Amino acid sequence: ETGVTQSPTHLIKTRGQQVTLRCSSQSGHNTVSWYQQALGQGPQFIFQYYREEENGRGNFPPRFSGLQFPNYSSELNVNALELDDSALYLCASSFTGGQRETQYFGPGTRLLVL
Amino acid sequence: SQKIEQNSEALNIQEGKTATLTCNYTNYSPAYLQWYRQDPGRGPVFLLLIRENEKEKRKERLKVTFDTTLKQSLFHITASQPADSATYLCALDMLSDFNKFYFGSGTKLNVKP
Repeated sequence: ETGVTQSPTHLIKTRGQQVTLRCSSQSGHNTVSWYQQALGQGPQFIFQYYREEENGRGNFPPRFSGLQFPNYSSELNVNALELDDSALYLCASSFTGGQRETQYFGPGTRLLVL
Repeated sequence: SQKIEQNSEALNIQEGKTATLTCNYTNYSPAYLQWYRQDPGRGPVFLLLIRENEKEKRKERLKVTFDTTLKQSLFHITASQPADSATYLCALDMLSDFNKFYFGSGTKLNVKP
């Protein structure tokens, strides 16, 4: 196990609602990235947070937003949910600074939008 | 934008053989290329990282090659085992978008006993 935890594990929402997903990063890591993975596809980069600020963003609309807290945990918020938002949402923690390290993924949150 | 191609068809091989998976990309070369393993319903697990100035990297039964001229990486599993059956993803860490990763859609490997 990577030490990265996510909650909840599963979630069902209806179109137009809002959702908050949570991630606790691995000890010693200061960077959290969020990904959306549709069935049969690779993870798509949503954004990354470093030192509590967004540090890179993929091709996702502003209704996808996030936060990083002083303990490096993070939230992903999605407003005005659409059916296509149904996916596995993954967070990954890493350490930025010095020699580059890789990302360690959590188990994901499975979101179903009806 | 960067496009990453991995063979979408499953790779079926016999136990003990070497599995070779391909990752091709377009446009800019990444600073790093990584390979991950993903089991159904789980998050990806990091396997190997190779830098743009490295040609080959090995770890136990795994080997990765990186050819920036061909814009291609090959991932090899020698002496494959049924437990190696999973989806393997390549990911590009872009120089132009530092800390941004682009994943391929993965190749499913089935190792038959």
